[in-house]
Amino acid sequence: DQQVKQNSPSLSVQEGRISILNCDYTNSMFDYFLWYKKYPAEGPTFLISISSIKDKNEDGRFTVFLNKSAKHLSLHIVPSQPGDSAVYFCAASARGPSYGGSQGNLIFGKGTKLSVKP
Amino acid sequence: DAGVTQSPTHLIKTRGQHVTLRCSPISGHKSVSWYQQVLGQGPQFIFQYYEKEERGRGNFPDRFSARQFPNYSSELNVNALLLGDSALYLCASTLTFTDTQYFGPGTRLTVL
Repeated sequence: DQQVKQNSPSLSVQEGRISILNCDYTNSMFDYFLWYKKYPAEGPTFLISISSIKDKNEDGRFTVFLNKSAKHLSLHIVPSQPGDSAVYFCAASARGPSYGGSQGNLIFGKGTKLSVKP
Repeated sequence: DAGVTQSPTHLIKTRGQHVTLRCSPISGHKSVSWYQQVLGQGPQFIFQYYEKEERGRGNFPDRFSARQFPNYSSELNVNALLLGDSALYLCASTLTFTDTQYFGPGTRLTVL
């Protein structure tokens, strides 16, 4: 049973346009969400995160939106650049109110391969 | 500053053998987590260690074990290798109980 789902295996976008990557989750205990970018032959690179007490977090060209009622989050990249072409993973964790939960237990989606065409 | 380092980069083993993978966390980080990523899937949590103690374990058989050393580096051991253990093994380090995990480049294990 997949707790974190990325239903689009791939996405192709023109350079300069917006890229929107989507992620759905089923576990209502998740309270922290992260996006990672992964190039071939490299480990995942942290991009941006959001706590469940927020509905938006922005960092430069990257914005993450969280809709708790829909159990949905999305990553917006504006403007998209060819160097953004990579596999993007959504991840979630259940830290608990005291943050005493296992920080290691990140649950990942299967990833979305983004291709940004010049 | 050096990031998370892992060794070896690549490894080829045969079924039934044993393997040891190594990880050094970012300087100052005291927690290390291990993940397995098979082709087409996201990373799957195996273990977390903090201050040399196991703090979390994923749904993996007892053939998988790990430990953390006083300098916070870590080893992942896998016994009695199966073909299905072929994967990219990722190590991530975390500053004490903060939320962002920083990953190393991984060790590509191939079991023949």
